[in-house]
Amino acid sequence: DIQLTQSPSFLSASVGDRVTITCRASQGISSYLAWYQQKPGKAPKLLIYAASTLQSGVPSRFSGSGSGTEFTLTISSLQPEDFATYYCQQLNSYPFTFGPGTKVDIK
Amino acid sequence: EVQVLESGGGLVQPGGSLRLSCAASGFTFSSYAMSWVRQAPGKGLEWVSAISGSGGTVHYADSVKGRLTVSRDNSKNTLYLQMNSLRAEDTAVYYCAKCSSSCQTGSFDIWGQGTMVTVSS
Repeated sequence: DIQLTQSPSFLSASVGDRVTITCRASQGISSYLAWYQQKPGKAPKLLIYAASTLQSGVPSRFSGSGSGTEFTLTISSLQPEDFATYYCQQLNSYPFTFGPGTKVDIK
Repeated sequence: EVQVLESGGGLVQPGGSLRLSCAASGFTFSSYAMSWVRQAPGKGLEWVSAISGSGGTVHYADSVKGRLTVSRDNSKNTLYLQMNSLRAEDTAVYYCAKCSSSCQTGSFDIWGQGTMVTVSS
């Protein structure tokens, strides 16, 4: 099975900060990686698919990059509504796996 | 509006059974693969199962293989998860998710609000 790790697991940031989250896969997954945002008590929401394609309706301050085994999610200017937990997911092969999550909190 | 809505969660004893349903609307249900994802209290997301649009191909996480069964009724626009031989570690919120086309190489673009399953005596 393909394992995903995320770093950091927790980060504290201020409104307006640039934030970068890294996701690493235990083997190559081409560009078959998605990023999701989850707020407490809510369902996950798709932000990015195919490593770098922004889902319709998602603000352009979110961006994704990477291929193979290393990927990043960047929020260019953190907004109050962005404080949440972020998960990466590989869809290259079954069983699909999620990263352990990165919680973004208010400094 | 494209949406999916889960139902059927509840409290069940260890070894018991439960069937979850996921009602889909706003899209051509039979054209899309679907998945189940769960989240134990305070934990991360865990993919559980996926099924093709026709229902002819299914996949499972090793942790549920042989105990959980995914199916769909395209005439009713409904996805199911039959859960047997339930264990305490199956306690979680279960989400239904629409795949963007196929699940593999795609993404989970629409999620339901989730239904809670609690396995406890």
